[in-house]
Amino acid sequence: QSVLTQPPSASGTPGQRVSISCSGSSSNIGSYTVNWYQHLPGTAPKLLIYTNNQRPSGVPDRFSGSKSGTSASLAISGLQSDDEADYFCAAWDDSLNGVVFGGGTKLTVL
Amino acid sequence: EMQLVESGGGLIQPGGFLRLSCAASGFTVSNNYMSWVRQAPGKGLEWVSIIYFGGSTYYADSVKGRFTISRDNSKNTLYLQMDSLRAEDTAMYYCARGSFKSGLLDVWGQGTTVTVSS
Repeated sequence: QSVLTQPPSASGTPGQRVSISCSGSSSNIGSYTVNWYQHLPGTAPKLLIYTNNQRPSGVPDRFSGSKSGTSASLAISGLQSDDEADYFCAAWDDSLNGVVFGGGTKLTVL
Repeated sequence: EMQLVESGGGLIQPGGFLRLSCAASGFTVSNNYMSWVRQAPGKGLEWVSIIYFGGSTYYADSVKGRFTISRDNSKNTLYLQMDSLRAEDTAMYYCARGSFKSGLLDVWGQGTTVTVSS
């Protein structure tokens, strides 16, 4: 049972826009910034969005993040087949004194 | 280029111990907040431990008292000593560079696999 709650799956067709939600509480998302990771099996997770809505260099602007209260979301526009991956949200948690992750959302491009 | 390379994983019996290493290049481990994160088969990412640049350490409840995070500044290497291993510790273990009180992990290693089984 992950501290942050994400839908287990999401899907869309090429070119569509999809959104993935991440719900937490006052001790994590409510107090700290949210970060998103893209993870392909057998590879290192890749930082996709940091500090709620910032993109690291090299991440296309098709990826965007937002946060409101104790929830956050990742949006992917212009969906591409390469976007098929697992997506995780993460934040610091004061109660646990550590990083908490969402359970991950498996994105399928139909 | 900043890089992390993990090593030390393997097959170990329940109750056994293992030490994972994470060699860094392109930045200094001791000047950063370094974490270990794991992913059990078919599961999501789970944060395991962090060492602050000042030396303070914190652990997930699931490993507290059994795992110890440390670093060797002369070797620019991070370690995870894992004792009293259990089947549920079976996972891919990643080291990552983080920030103070943040879920931001911007540099990750490729991971090393730990399998706890008799």
